[in-house]
Amino acid sequence: NAGVTQTPKFQVLKTGQSMTLQCAQDMNHEYMSWYRQDPGMGLRLIHYSVGAGITDQGEVPNGYNVSRSTTEDFPLRLLSAAPSQTSVYFCASSPEPGVFYEQYFGPGTRLTVT
Amino acid sequence: GENVEQHPSTLSVQEGDSAVIKCTYSDSASNYFPWYKQELGKRPQLIIDIRSNVGEKKDQRIAVTLNKTAKHFSLHITETQPEDSAVYFCAASQSRGNNRLAFGKGNQVVVIP
Repeated sequence: NAGVTQTPKFQVLKTGQSMTLQCAQDMNHEYMSWYRQDPGMGLRLIHYSVGAGITDQGEVPNGYNVSRSTTEDFPLRLLSAAPSQTSVYFCASSPEPGVFYEQYFGPGTRLTVT
Repeated sequence: GENVEQHPSTLSVQEGDSAVIKCTYSDSASNYFPWYKQELGKRPQLIIDIRSNVGEKKDQRIAVTLNKTAKHFSLHITETQPEDSAVYFCAASQSRGNNRLAFGKGNQVVVIP
C-alpha cells in the first residue's frame, strides 16, 4: 500500500492564481480531511469528508473548495490564491467515518503564494 | 467548538530524563485524546491515544494520563533519547460529535545528548 499520497510536494503560486492540491489513499478509508499547518498554529482543519459525495467545512474553509467523487481521492482547490494561504498542507485519512481513530497523514504540500 | 491548549510550547530535557507535556481541553463531551509526533520535515504520526473510559495508557517509554474532571491530559516520555526530539501535538474529539479533531498548537521537545 502507498498509504496517503499528495502531489505536488512543493508549489509556488502568484496571487490570484488557482490550483488543485491532489490527495489519494489506497486503504479504502471513508474519512478524509485537509489541514493546514502554520508556524505556532498547529494543525487547522480546512475541509473534511465522511464518504464519497459528502463534504463539510472545518475550522478555516474560506478560499478553499473540495469534492469527493470517489473513496480514493480528495482534491483541495484554491480558488484565487492569496499570500495568507502560504502554508504546509496535509491530507489525512481514517478507516472510519469520524475522527475517533488514527489519522494517517500524507507527506504534505508546501505552498508559497507571492 | 473544542479548544485545545498545550503547555509548555518548548521543552528541553537532558537525555535520559523524563519529559511531560500537558494539554487542556474545553469541551466536556470530548472522549478521544490522541498524541501525534512530527519530526522535522515529516508528516505527523500517531504515537498513543486514550479514550475517556480509561485514566492511563502506556506503550513502552510513552504514557498518557487523562483527568476528565479537570479536563486535561498529559504525555509522559521516560528515558528520553535524541530521537524523541520532535514537535508533539495533542488533540481532542467526540465519538458522536461533528467529525472534527481539534489539535493543540504543538510542543517542541529537544533532547540534549
